[in-house]
Amino acid sequence: DVKVTQSSRYLVKRTGEKVFLECVQDMDHENMFWYRQDPGLGLRLIYFSYDVKMKEKGDIPEGYSVSREKKERFSLILESASTNQTSMYLCASSYQGFETQYFGPGTRLLVL
Amino acid sequence: GQNIDQPTEMTATEGAIVQINCTYQTSGFNGLFWYQQHAGEAPTFLSYNVLDGLEEKGRFSSFLSRSKGYSYLLLKELQMKDSASYLCAVRVLNNRKLIWGLGTSLAVNP
Repeated sequence: DVKVTQSSRYLVKRTGEKVFLECVQDMDHENMFWYRQDPGLGLRLIYFSYDVKMKEKGDIPEGYSVSREKKERFSLILESASTNQTSMYLCASSYQGFETQYFGPGTRLLVL
Repeated sequence: GQNIDQPTEMTATEGAIVQINCTYQTSGFNGLFWYQQHAGEAPTFLSYNVLDGLEEKGRFSSFLSRSKGYSYLLLKELQMKDSASYLCAVRVLNNRKLIWGLGTSLAVNP
């Protein structure tokens, strides 16, 4: 079974703090993705990576950065958290050429 | 542009059959996915169609017509646990990303 894990299920941070969200997959997937999901807006892609040290912007990259130093690990960084970044953050991974995405359990982030 | 349309909400009765439609307008097509998402949880993969026709998997079936830009997910013998959001997503040619619909929230009533 594919397993995608995320570092926290729930997180509360203050405005201006730097926030790290980590995602780890154990299936040797090349592709990894970070989404946020908000009511009425659906899944929106923040960043994705198709190889170690490679990254591409998604639809809403502003205010976020990512890091992929190892194939199994993809980190999302909020440089200076703001209240409008309160959301559910979902990580996913997939094989190259077979694009079924498998999701982690999600991190519900609240920025106060 | 890229666009995927699904009904926002649907209601059905336990034991019945429900069909959830998805229409898409995308620049190229290389497969359509259906995911199920229970409230507060992550999406889980249900089905994948790349050729026209019906794919059956237990109580769930998915249909695709590429010429019409149309798919549906058919859920039979509905159970209370099928109450969830159902997401349609399309892969366009030569692209690792998926384009996601907003999802259809299905409520199954006793």
